[in-house]
Formats: sequence, structure tokens, C-alpha cells
Amino acid sequence: DIQMTQSPSSLSASVGDRVTFTCRASQGISNHLAWYQQKPGKVPKLLIYAASTLQSGVPSRFSGSGSGTDFTLTISSLQAEDVATYYCQRYNSASTFGQGTKLEIK
Amino acid sequence: QVQLVESGGDVVQPGRSLRLSCAASGFTFSTYGMHWVRQGPGKGLEWLAVISFDGKVAYYTDSVKGRFTLSRDNSKNTLYLQMNSLRLEDTATYYCAKEAVMHYWYFDLWGRGTVVTVSS
Repeated sequence: DIQMTQSPSSLSASVGDRVTFTCRASQGISNHLAWYQQKPGKVPKLLIYAASTLQSGVPSRFSGSGSGTDFTLTISSLQAEDVATYYCQRYNSASTFGQGTKLEIK
Repeated sequence: QVQLVESGGDVVQPGRSLRLSCAASGFTFSTYGMHWVRQGPGKGLEWLAVISFDGKVAYYTDSVKGRFTLSRDNSKNTLYLQMNSLRLEDTATYYCAKEAVMHYWYFDLWGRGTVVTVSS
């Protein structure tokens, strides 16, 4: 089974910072990767699919890249409302989530 | 209004059964595969199962295979998750989720979840 590993498990950054999350698949998954944001007490929200396609309505400060086994989610300029846990998900012929990265504001 | 509403969560003893429901509205339910995802207390997301748009095919993650069964009634726009032989580790919030694009297992619509607690 393909495992998804996210790093770091948590990070703290200042408003306005550029923030990068990493997700690694144990085997190649082409671009079949999505990113979700889950704010405290809320339901997960789709941010990115196909590794780099921004879901409609998601702010353009979010971007995704990668293919094969290594993927990144970047927030170009961190806003206070971005505090959340971010999950990657592979969806090639099955589905697995990463363990999440918790983002906090310094 | 486009939404998914789960129900059926409860407190149950280990070994017992429970059936969750997910009522869909605002989109053509019968044309999308539907999924269940759970989240244990303070834990991450775990994909559980998918059922095809027509209900003919279902796939399960190993941890629930043989214990959980997915079904759907497209005439009622409702998805079901029958959970048997429940274990302590099945304690979680259970979300139903809709595929954003048919046959692609990423999700653009989630319900608010229903809580299942397995406890003796």
C-alpha cells in the first residue's frame, strides 16, 4: 500500500511569510494528489487537486507543485486565517491521506 | 443548497453494529461516487470506503474490510454505511464526501460529520 508522509508535522510562521508544506509518496502517483485545509472544528476543504490545480474559490496565495513522489503546497504570503491543519491525499486507484501538518501563527 | 448531512452516530459497545446515513441535496447524487472518511479524536483523516455512482462496486480500506458495508439508494439521494463488529479504534467522526469529478477520488463536498463512540 502507498504511504503518504507529510513534513513537518507542525510549523509556526509569521503573517506575510512564505510557507511550504511537503508531502512524499512511498511510490510514484503521477499527479494524483490533492491538498485540503482543515480549520479547528471545521470540515476539510479542498484547496488543490491534480497536484497543482487550484480549486475554484481558493485564494491565489495557495499553490501546489510536484509529480511522482514529491509534492509541495505553498502559501505565498501567510494570513492569520490560514491557521489550520493541512493534509495531502493521493487518489490513484485508492486513497490515502498524509498525517497532516499543523500551521500556527508566531 | 448543495450539502451532505450525516446521521446515525451514537455511543455503542464493542462488537455491536451501527448504520450511518448521509443525505445528499443540491446536486445529481446518482452521477457521483461517494466516500466515507473518518477522523479519530485529535487525529488525522482516514479514507474508509467508496461506492460507485450506481452502487454496483465498492472498495474498502483494510481496517474495515469485512466489517463495514457501503450501500446507496439513488431514489432517496442517500448513502449508507453499515458498521458491524465495532471496535474501540472505530471511535471517530465519520464524514461522507462527494467526488469532485466522477472516478477521481478527491472531494469537493463534505458533510459536517457524525460522531461514533465505541465504548464499554
